[in-house]
Amino acid sequence: EVQLVESGGGVVQPGGSLRLSCAASGFTFSDHYMDWVRHSPGKGLEWIARVRNKANTFSTEYAASVKGRFTISRDDSKNSLYLQMNSLEVEDTALYYCTRGGFSYGFGLADYWGLGTLVTVSS
Amino acid sequence: QSALTQPASVSGSRGQSITISCTGTSSDVGGHNYVSWYQQHPGKAPKLIIYDVSHRPSGVSDRFSGSKSGNTASLTISGLQAEDEAYYYCSSYTRGTTLYVFGTGSEVTVL
Repeated sequence: EVQLVESGGGVVQPGGSLRLSCAASGFTFSDHYMDWVRHSPGKGLEWIARVRNKANTFSTEYAASVKGRFTISRDDSKNSLYLQMNSLEVEDTALYYCTRGGFSYGFGLADYWGLGTLVTVSS
Repeated sequence: QSALTQPASVSGSRGQSITISCTGTSSDVGGHNYVSWYQQHPGKAPKLIIYDVSHRPSGVSDRFSGSKSGNTASLTISGLQAEDEAYYYCSSYTRGTTLYVFGTGSEVTVL
């Protein structure tokens, strides 16, 4: 059974940093692209970052809203996905989901989701 | 990049069929066939129910079907059941300031 378990969320002040983790199990993690998607009351669902697999040189892509502030990475030896979030803004407050992507010739998004980890940016 | 437009709410009686629309542009929905639909019950993780416009993942009921015409994709739920009450979101691959764009979400109520 595919499982994705996020951790690392919490309350942080504007300008602060946070690192999210996602532990994956039940599938060959190294074969798949992985994405972070967030859900906030104001913006709804928003795709924010992707890291591809080794066969695709672990290339990354970011939404404009987080580019330059967030960094997605993976450790295939630990079946883990990460999101380093710097220079956090109030608008980054959201539930952050770890998702599996890359099916359908690499264009598919989120065939499995975790339960999410809540990030609150507030002074 | 603007969110795809969905109706805020859709309702129907048990056994009826309903259709949820998802309207984008030629840069996303209208530009290719990488449109997906997700179902989310309160407090639960979203679940993929349609991908590539009209394909169902294994285990998803055939009461769910997808289609597309121009810049608008649609999700039809046939034989509406109580457990179909949930939020539904569409998404589309795009190329612009983001890789994917989501819909605004639709709440389905079974009367």
